[in-house]
Amino acid sequence: AQSVAQPEDQVNVAEGNPLTVKCTYSVSGNPYLFWYVQYPNRGLQFLLKYITGDNLVKGSYGFEAEFNKSQTSFHLKKPSALVSDSALYFCAVRDLKGGATNKLIFGTGTLLAVQP
Amino acid sequence: DAGVTQSPTHLIKTRGQQVTLRCSPKSGHDTVSWYQQALGQGPQFIFQYYEEEERQRGNFPDRFSGHQFPNYSSELNVNALLLGDSALYLCASSRQGAANTGELFFGEGSRLTVL
Repeated sequence: AQSVAQPEDQVNVAEGNPLTVKCTYSVSGNPYLFWYVQYPNRGLQFLLKYITGDNLVKGSYGFEAEFNKSQTSFHLKKPSALVSDSALYFCAVRDLKGGATNKLIFGTGTLLAVQP
Repeated sequence: DAGVTQSPTHLIKTRGQQVTLRCSPKSGHDTVSWYQQALGQGPQFIFQYYEEEERQRGNFPDRFSGHQFPNYSSELNVNALLLGDSALYLCASSRQGAANTGELFFGEGSRLTVL
């Protein structure tokens, strides 16, 4: 079965420092991987996706993610964190089983706290 | 370009009652998926509708049902509410076929509290 794991419940980083939010995946076949962000009491906003191609994927708000097949990881990164990046981040993988399209399986989320 | 819209944003019900949540997909989208996000957890897939039919259902009981209308909007109905149904219910839309970009577009959600 397809799954993703986010090993950290919370990541703390100082403003201006680089940040990494970790995600590992378990899939059969080629993975379709996504990152979403959720601000308090809001819906999910799409950040970026990996379907195929370059292992370094660039997304919204200066975020990028590195796909690593050998380590089955898809970590989210940003060179310089902003206080406004503080939010809940979800990694997700597309589940290809069944009749639904774009069905996503989400991780448990990582709370990113950026201190000024 | 209107995004995904959901109503109501918040509602409170008591155990045993029934609730209907509504969703209008992003302009140009024809597929609607519903997710349940319990407090402190990631969203869980409930079901997906396309061409007014349920395409796939997640691990949710029959108390959860849905509908899609000809204009692609959708409803989620939950009967015989339990305390454990308290959650944020998210609607997401996408497109089928060659226009499918792969990602889901989410609404702001409907926060259901069951007392």
